[in-house]
Order: sequence, then structure tokens, then C-alpha cells
Amino acid sequence: AQSVTQPDIHITVSEGASLELRCNYSYGATPYLFWYVQSPGQGLQLLLKYFSGDTLVQGIKGFEAEFKRSQSSFNLRKPSVHWSDAAEYFCAVGAVDNFNKFYFGSGTKLNVKP
Amino acid sequence: DAGVTQSPTHLIKTRGQQVTLRCSPKSGHDTVSWYQQALGQGPQFIFQYYEEEERQRGNFPDRFSGHQFPNYSSELNVNALLLGDSALYLCASSLTGLNTEAFFGQGTRLTVV
Repeated sequence: AQSVTQPDIHITVSEGASLELRCNYSYGATPYLFWYVQSPGQGLQLLLKYFSGDTLVQGIKGFEAEFKRSQSSFNLRKPSVHWSDAAEYFCAVGAVDNFNKFYFGSGTKLNVKP
Repeated sequence: DAGVTQSPTHLIKTRGQQVTLRCSPKSGHDTVSWYQQALGQGPQFIFQYYEEEERQRGNFPDRFSGHQFPNYSSELNVNALLLGDSALYLCASSLTGLNTEAFFGQGTRLTVV
């Protein structure tokens, strides 16, 4: 069965510091992988997605993620965090039989210290 | 383009009541999916509608039902509400096919008391 694990519930980083959010997935074939961001009271916004090809994926707002098949991971990174990045981040895998059916992780809440 | 719009934004209901949530998809999108996001959790897939039919369903009881209209808008109905149904309900619209992006609405916050 498909599943996603985000091991970090909360992360706090200082503004300007680098960020890495972890995501591990369970999937039998090549997965469709996504990172979404949710600000308080808001819906989900797509940051980036991986379908195939280059394993380093660039997204919006300066985020990138790297697909590592050997580690079943799809970690999200940003070299320099801004205060506006404070939000909750969700990793998701798309179902093999339905591209827009997502299995989400439980999320990582990011706090940014001034 | 207004994107995905959901109504109402907030709702308070009593146990045992029934509720209807509404979703208007992004212009041009023909597929609507519904998710339940409990507090502190990631969204969970309820079901998906395409061409006015339920295409897939997640692990939710029959109390959860839906509908899609010819204009692709959708409703989520929940009968016999339980306290555990309190959650943010998210609607996502997409264009059927591979390599398309799903857009999420802001959600409806349902509180069951």
C-alpha cells in the first residue's frame, strides 16, 4: 500500500538559514511525488512535483526537492528561509491508478525565528 | 479565474445532523476530489468525481456521499454527523489525465458539537 512518512512534526529554523524537510514514501513502482504548502486557514498550494527524469526538481518560492529511489525519499530543501515560509508542509504520493488521488504525510510545521 | 471555491467557509452542526458542502472547480477542470483533514493530520482522500460519477472512493463510510453536476461543480454530503467528523474538508479540482496539477480550495471548516 502507498504511504508517506514525514518524521519531523515541528521544525524551527532561523531566518536566512537553510532548510531540509524529510519525506519517505512506500510505493511499489516509480512514484509520482509532490510537496504542498498550507498556510493557516488556507488550502494547499503545490510547491513542486516529480514524475520522472531529473531527480532534482525545482519548484516555486526557491524550493527544490531530490528524489532518491535507493532511500525512498523525496526531501524538500531551501538554501535560505524567509519569515514568510512559516507554514505547514505536506509531502504526497500520487496513486498508481489515479494520478490526482493523493496519499499525504502528516505534515511538518515550520517555524521561522527572526 | 477564481480558482477552486468552496462554501461555506465555516459550519457548526450538531451530532446526528446532516451537512452539505459545495465546491466549484477551477475553470476548465472536469475532475473533483474531496479530502478530509483532521486537526494535526494530513488530508485523507474521501472520493473523486468525474463525468458526474464517483470514480474512486477512499476508506470512508457510506454516510459520506457526493454528487457532481453537469457544470462539474460538486457537493459532499455527510449524514448522521459524529463528533469525529469535525475537520477541514478540502476540495481539489483537476483536468483528467497525466501530468496535470490539482488545485485546492481553501476548505470548509466543519465543527460537530
